[in-house]
Amino acid sequence: DVKVTQSSRYLVKRTGEKVFLECVQDMDHENMFWYRQDPGLGLRLIYFSYDVKMKEKGDIPEGYSVSREKKERFSLILESASTNQTSMYLCASSALGRIGNTIYFGEGSWLTVV
Amino acid sequence: AQTVTQSQPEMSVQEAETVTLSCTYDTSESDYYLFWYKQPPSRQMILVIRQEAYKQQNATENRFSVNFQKAAKSFSLKISDSQLGDAAMYFCAYRSGKTSGSRLTFGEGTQLTVNP
Repeated sequence: DVKVTQSSRYLVKRTGEKVFLECVQDMDHENMFWYRQDPGLGLRLIYFSYDVKMKEKGDIPEGYSVSREKKERFSLILESASTNQTSMYLCASSALGRIGNTIYFGEGSWLTVV
Repeated sequence: AQTVTQSQPEMSVQEAETVTLSCTYDTSESDYYLFWYKQPPSRQMILVIRQEAYKQQNATENRFSVNFQKAAKSFSLKISDSQLGDAAMYFCAYRSGKTSGSRLTFGEGTQLTVNP
């Protein structure tokens, strides 16, 4: 089975702190994604990556950056956390090609910024 | 840009009954995929069913089936013989078939309650 692991399930950070959310997948997938989930808004794409060191902005990239130095790892970075970034963050991955049209998700990271 | 709309924020169903969750989408593409994901309280996203736009036949997975109306851009999920374990948030999602790196675009979600 594909496994997407988000190392931190629950975090509480202070306003202005730098926050790292880490995601690792074990299926050699090319594509990786970071979504943010908020009530009534569904899941919104922050950033995605289709290869090592490659990244593309999603729908709500402001206030976030990402890093993909290794194929299996995709990090989401909040340079200076703000209270409006309190949310649940979901990482996902998929393979290239038509067989890769299923996207697999991690269990989510709950971030509270106080 | 593609959009996905779920107009029912909440739905409820009696155990063993049938319920239909609605989803509409907007796209100018002809090659795409549609999905229904289930998110139980654990927050793990679980793929329920997938439909390729080029296939006319509606997808079915055990008690879950879809009604795919391509011209109307409608993609509803029918859950038959509802079980308590079906209670969850359900998300409809769209993915372009144009590039393999494309992302999922989600609807707002429908919270399904199953009453015993």
